[in-house]
Amino acid sequence: DSGVTQTPKHLITATGQRVTLRCSPRSGDLSVYWYQQSLDQGLQFLIQYYNGEERAKGNILERFSAQQFPDLHSELNLSSLELGDSALYFCASSVGTSRRPDTQYFGPGTRLTVL
Amino acid sequence: DQQVKQNSPPLSVQEGRISILNCDYTNSMFDYFLWYKKYPAEGPTFLISISSIKDKNEDGRFTVFLNKSAKHLSLHIVPSQPGDSAVYFCAAGVYGQNFVFGPGTRLSVLP
Repeated sequence: DSGVTQTPKHLITATGQRVTLRCSPRSGDLSVYWYQQSLDQGLQFLIQYYNGEERAKGNILERFSAQQFPDLHSELNLSSLELGDSALYFCASSVGTSRRPDTQYFGPGTRLTVL
Repeated sequence: DQQVKQNSPPLSVQEGRISILNCDYTNSMFDYFLWYKKYPAEGPTFLISISSIKDKNEDGRFTVFLNKSAKHLSLHIVPSQPGDSAVYFCAAGVYGQNFVFGPGTRLSVLP
């Protein structure tokens, strides 16, 4: 158990809909990262938050947005969903106090299926 | 442009033998590297890391070797166990930027 929790575990929805994925980082970690893993693909970095502020942005679509709250949990919002958005979405956390990349600990993921 | 490559096809190894997983990177600025293991339907689990000031790091059955001039790192698992069957990701990072993950290599350890 990495200490990172994600809810829900599974999500099935229809095209055009909007969903919210939630992540709680490990105790003491200030950075949260979101990744997308499509079928048999690697991990695509979406976005990073550090202590409530956006720190880095990767290949995140404009239809997607995220935020980190004062209690450090984070939410990833996916809107106008398309079939191609079906994937595993992972959250990871790290201490993140330095600009040096530090070890990230991953949650179990949310499997999103768009029908 | 794939900065971190894991071009190995799925690897099958007999239990007790050595498993060697390879990773190549293109950005010579990368100075910190991680290996993760991932089981189906679970999140990646951190295995071992190495910084560019070292060329080897060991943790139990896992050893990572770094060849900076070749921009290559490898993960050795000795002895391999059936529970090691998983997808292995390498990741590379540099100060001020996030890690870049490779596409993963599937390892099967046969009993």
